[in-house]
Amino acid sequence: AQSVTQLDSQVPVFEEAPVELRCNYSSSVSVYLFWYVQYPNQGLQLLLKYLSGSTLVESINGFEAEFNKSQTSFHLRKPSVHISDTAEYFCAVSESAGSGGSYIPTFGRGTSLIVHP
Amino acid sequence: DVKVTQSSRYLVKRTGEKVFLECVQDMDHENMFWYRQDPGLGLRLIYFSYDVKMKEKGDIPEGYSVSREKKERFSLILESASTNQTSMYLCASSSRVAFTYEQYFGPGTRLTVT
Repeated sequence: AQSVTQLDSQVPVFEEAPVELRCNYSSSVSVYLFWYVQYPNQGLQLLLKYLSGSTLVESINGFEAEFNKSQTSFHLRKPSVHISDTAEYFCAVSESAGSGGSYIPTFGRGTSLIVHP
Repeated sequence: DVKVTQSSRYLVKRTGEKVFLECVQDMDHENMFWYRQDPGLGLRLIYFSYDVKMKEKGDIPEGYSVSREKKERFSLILESASTNQTSMYLCASSSRVAFTYEQYFGPGTRLTVT
């Protein structure tokens, strides 16, 4: 079974500093990779995803993540964070079709990004 | 705009009560999911459904049941609520045919069982 590890439960950082949120997964077979963000008192929303092609994927608000197959990692980075980036970030991995041909993602436990002024 | 709605944002119930959490999506998605979110544990899958009247157990189905009578609606039922079911419940949906694979989440229901 797939497992997803987010190595840091909490990452405090000052505004305008760079940040990296780490994500490793267990399976080396073909996978689909996702980062979701959850702002306070809201549901999760997709930040970015890797399905195929270029291993570097970007979001519209300046985040990027790189798929590294050999290291089974999909770390999330941003060169300069804002106060508004304070949120919970979840890494998720889907590896194969389950019942009914559906892809069921496995989620990491989440990383709380706290941006200080 | 894609939308998943949940019937309540906050709910307080007593131990032993039967609890219904409703989820509706307007995207004609085949797949629907119920998760439980607890601090430090991330999201844990309770049940999912890939078609009307179809359901599959997730990682923590004990104490829960589900119903999917219509494509757009997926209900989570706590037959006899207990205090250890106090949690945030998230509903999600996804397309099985669009090959986009991502999930769309509702805002969540924070359930407190006293």
